[in-house]
Amino acid sequence: ETGVTQSPTHLIKTRGQQVTLRCSSQSGHNTVSWYQQALGQGPQFIFQYYREEENGRGNFPPRFSGLQFPNYSSELNVNALELDDSALYLCASSIGQGASDTQYFGPGTRLTVL
Amino acid sequence: KQEVTQIPAALSVPEGENLVLNCSFTDSAIYNLQWFRQDPGKGLTSLLLIQSSQREQTSGRLNASLDKSSGRSTLYIAASQPGDSATYLCAVKAGSYQLTFGKGTKLSVIP
Repeated sequence: ETGVTQSPTHLIKTRGQQVTLRCSSQSGHNTVSWYQQALGQGPQFIFQYYREEENGRGNFPPRFSGLQFPNYSSELNVNALELDDSALYLCASSIGQGASDTQYFGPGTRLTVL
Repeated sequence: KQEVTQIPAALSVPEGENLVLNCSFTDSAIYNLQWFRQDPGKGLTSLLLIQSSQREQTSGRLNASLDKSSGRSTLYIAASQPGDSATYLCAVKAGSYQLTFGKGTKLSVIP
């Protein structure tokens, strides 16, 4: 069974650019959540996708957007990058969106905005 | 708004010592609580998950307890080893099923 994978591992961008991060869910999982973890902080919830639709969003501006594909893989897109967007971006998948469904995390993508 | 606090922020212990990490949360209406381990620059590894109806969970040298009414959880690590050095994160699931995390406790186990 393949776990959650994310690409790329590291990324360097400049202010104002756009970035796309990718996540492949664990086999059989139809729910994907994205989190942002700034240095020294706990992860912050960005949004969740269930069967290709966004069904929950944290306190992030609209320039953070996402997609989920029919195979349940997902993308996180960030437009007009700001310095504060520098962080570790974590993707987590679960077998469903139920309260007892465990989220399994990928290794993350480290984004640096210069 | 749910808030999760972890104390202490950092902890250094000699190898072999038993230790306790603390986690508190402000809203007791949770579905479950989860403890994670994070190595520097890496993703999260789930250690233990406690459902709201449970009081504790054990895995090897790890034991996590949950007191939902008081909004507290503890992670007990027995006979600590240098390989246990990492940041330990506590997260609760409530409401719209997102996880709300604390800032973590950075543990250093000295050989």
